[in-house]
Amino acid sequence: DTAVSQTPKYLVTQMGNDKSIKCEQNLGHDTMYWYKQDSKKFLKIMFSYNNKELIINETVPNRFSPKSPDKAHLNLHINSLELGDSAVYFCASSQGVNQPQHFGDGTRLSIL
Amino acid sequence: GQQVMQIPQYQHVQEGEDFTTYCNSSTTLSNIQWYKQRPGGHPVFLIQLVKSGEVKKQKRLTFQFGEAKKNSSLHITATQTTDVGTYFCAGLRQAGTALIFGKGTTLSVSS
Repeated sequence: DTAVSQTPKYLVTQMGNDKSIKCEQNLGHDTMYWYKQDSKKFLKIMFSYNNKELIINETVPNRFSPKSPDKAHLNLHINSLELGDSAVYFCASSQGVNQPQHFGDGTRLSIL
Repeated sequence: GQQVMQIPQYQHVQEGEDFTTYCNSSTTLSNIQWYKQRPGGHPVFLIQLVKSGEVKKQKRLTFQFGEAKKNSSLHITATQTTDVGTYFCAGLRQAGTALIFGKGTTLSVSS
């Protein structure tokens, strides 16, 4: 059973479009995250939710909007996609902020 | 702001050689975690260090947490081709709300 699953795995779209990435975890964790990994492999946290409440919102354009309908799901919606949004986006979860994080397989977003 | 610096950024070794990556924080950390990301994969948790001066071993991997809880290292003895990947340290600052990841060290191994 996949612990943290993200869909889609690949996303190729045009500049200006709106897209969503979904994430679900079946580990019973309270905390979920979105990370962006660029071509240099730098892992940058974007958002963190604890029990459906936003606890971290790093310096991210407001075109990015996370939504957590319940503590097992954290989705990411992106409006007006730009070339610089091309990256791999990872969802992760943990049982508390000081506990090990479990990552999904990533969503590879390419903007044409 | 809070940063976790990791060096080197890249390291190439011959199979059988040893490898070390270093992690330094500007402030005291509550704990430090290490992750490995294989090419094309996702980060996978390796270990967590909590105590000052702590040393943990996993087979050929040795992890250390500094006495001041500001630095850490990962040492691999006698590297194998299966060790290829990017190794990230991630520190939680005291009373922090999130892990701060280093920029990673990418290890390549030639046989």
